[in-house]
This record gives sequence, structure tokens and C-alpha cells, in this order.
Amino acid sequence: DARVTQTPRHKVTEMGQEVTMRCQPILGHNTVFWYRQTMMQGLELLAYFRNRAPLDDSGMPKDRFSAEMPDATLATLKIQPSEPRDSAVYFCASGLNRGRGGTEAFFGQGTRLTVV
Amino acid sequence: AQSVTQPDIHITVSEGASLELRCNYSYGATPYLFWYVQSPGQGLQLLLKYFSGDTLVQGIKGFEAEFKRSQSSFNLRKPSVHWSDAAEYLCDVVTAAGARSYQLTFGKGTKLSVIP
Repeated sequence: DARVTQTPRHKVTEMGQEVTMRCQPILGHNTVFWYRQTMMQGLELLAYFRNRAPLDDSGMPKDRFSAEMPDATLATLKIQPSEPRDSAVYFCASGLNRGRGGTEAFFGQGTRLTVV
Repeated sequence: AQSVTQPDIHITVSEGASLELRCNYSYGATPYLFWYVQSPGQGLQLLLKYFSGDTLVQGIKGFEAEFKRSQSSFNLRKPSVHWSDAAEYLCDVVTAAGARSYQLTFGKGTKLSVIP
């Protein structure tokens, strides 16, 4: 069945290391979202793409975070260098937007990142 | 700036009891409204959504929500809670941010515990 796949599911890394999280959206979806979830802040939208082009990445710290879609089947979120405050669960979601109305988003199971 | 408030951080109900989870938003126009459920270790699952039309919407798992424009609310309800409903519930508000972009804002979530 179609679903959003995120890898890895868990990652523990030392501060200063580069972290790359990958997302495979549902085939045929034209919109991809990246969210971060923490206990203190809840769910925050970091960035989203439409037809592989970034539409809004204002929620993302630009100095260390970057999001790309090398092709329609892969979205990546990179943190370099990582810091302990980046510890969170990162969700990818995809959806199909037909030009009006909201987009129903289907979420992956998330990548739990711990930076020590 | 728009905001979404879920006033209740944690709710505990007995199995079989009715449930209402509150969601209030601040935005000038009518937004698109969503409720998601997140079970431990899982991603988000869409319960229901409101775009326009009938203000009482039915969702999956026996949930419904009512949009009340005068109160800027979109409360989630279920007449009889099951133990498997224990999870985190997130309200999401989507508004147009420009000609080709949308702004998504999530509440901080309400954790539901169910007593057998």
C-alpha cells in the first residue's frame, strides 16, 4: 500500500556531525512537507515543496539546515553541523494539491534524532 | 499572525464516555481545518477535514467535528471512547499565504488517556 517512507527511524549522533534524513513521498504526490516535533514546541513546519520547488522554508534555520528534492521520489533534510537542540522527531509528509483548497497530507513515521 | 490553541494538554476519560477535544484558531477568514491522530511511535493519521459546506464533518474511527465560525472553533467529538483511542490529537489550520502558497499551523496537541 502507498505510504511515505522515512529513513532512518532513529539516529543518535554527536554534536557537530552532519545528519541527513531521507523521505520517499507517495508516488504521484506533488507536495512534500518537513516538520519537526518537540515536547516544548509541538509540531513546527520547517519547509515544503511543490513539484520539487521549495515554496516556503521560513520555518527552517538557514545557517545549518537545508532541504532538497533531488528528484520526485526523494526529499532530504540535512543538518550540518548538528547541535543538541536539534534533537526532535522529524516528520515528512506528502500530498496531492490540485490547485485549490487544502492539501491532505500523509505522514511518514518520523525520524527520531538525538544529538549528544 | 494566525495561531491555533488546543487548551487541553492532557485529558483522561473512561472507556465508553463521550469526548470533546477543543481547537480554537485566530484568523480573519475561514481556514481549512484538519484533525490528526498520532499514536505512540507512529506518524500522523488524518481523522477528518473541513474545507467548506456542511459545518459538521464525519471522520474515521467514529469521530466528528463541528466548525463554528462565530467561535473560531473546530472541536473534535466522539460519543463513546474506546481504549484504542488513547493517543495524541493535533488540530491543524491551513490558510492561504499568497497566490501559490499556504501556511500550516498546528496546535500543540492534546494527549488522550483512556481508563478501562
